Amino acid sequence: AQSVSQHNHHVILSEAASLELGCNYSYGGTVNLFWYVQYPGQHLQLLLKYFSGDPLVKGIKGFEAEFIKSKFSFNLRKPSVQWSDTAEYFCAVTPAGNAGNMLTFGGGTRLMVKP
Amino acid sequence: DTGVSQNPRHKITKRGQNVTFRCDPISEHNRLYWYRQTLGQGPEFLTYFQNEAQLEKSRLLSDRFSAERPKGSFSTLEIQRTEQGDSAMYLCASSLPWAGPTEAFFGQGTRLTVV
Repeated sequence: AQSVSQHNHHVILSEAASLELGCNYSYGGTVNLFWYVQYPGQHLQLLLKYFSGDPLVKGIKGFEAEFIKSKFSFNLRKPSVQWSDTAEYFCAVTPAGNAGNMLTFGGGTRLMVKP
Repeated sequence: DTGVSQNPRHKITKRGQNVTFRCDPISEHNRLYWYRQTLGQGPEFLTYFQNEAQLEKSRLLSDRFSAERPKGSFSTLEIQRTEQGDSAMYLCASSLPWAGPTEAFFGQGTRLTVV
């Protein structure tokens, strides 16, 4: 079975600082990878996804993530955060051959951006 | 609003009572998922439907839990004889019927508190 680790549970940054959130997964085969964001009081929204091809994927709101297969990692980055990025971020994985696409989530990283 | 709709948004119940939640997926999404999210954790997969067929059930789904999707549209999740450990956010998601990987769209969840 697959698992996902997000090592940073809480991150506090000032506006304009750069962000990198770590995500490592454990699975022996090919995977599809996702980052979801949950703003306070709102539902989970897809930030970006990786299925195949270019390992550097760009998502909404200036976020990007890089899939490094050798490191089993899919870290999320943003060069300059804004106060509105305050949210909880979840990394998720599903085996590529999983027709049902059930997601395995990490524990989440709560990001607070100070104005 | 054409997103995934969940009702009720909040439910407080006494231990031992039965509760039922409803999920209305995005129309044309034939895949429907239930997840559970406890405080400080990422969502955990419970069960998955393709049309009216329940194709996957997690070991987390004890005998007290039952999910249905009788006409392949909305789904219900029932918990019988609730326990305090059932207190959590119950999330529903849906996705398109593609053969390949797809993204899941989440509802806002039903927060269950068992007192």
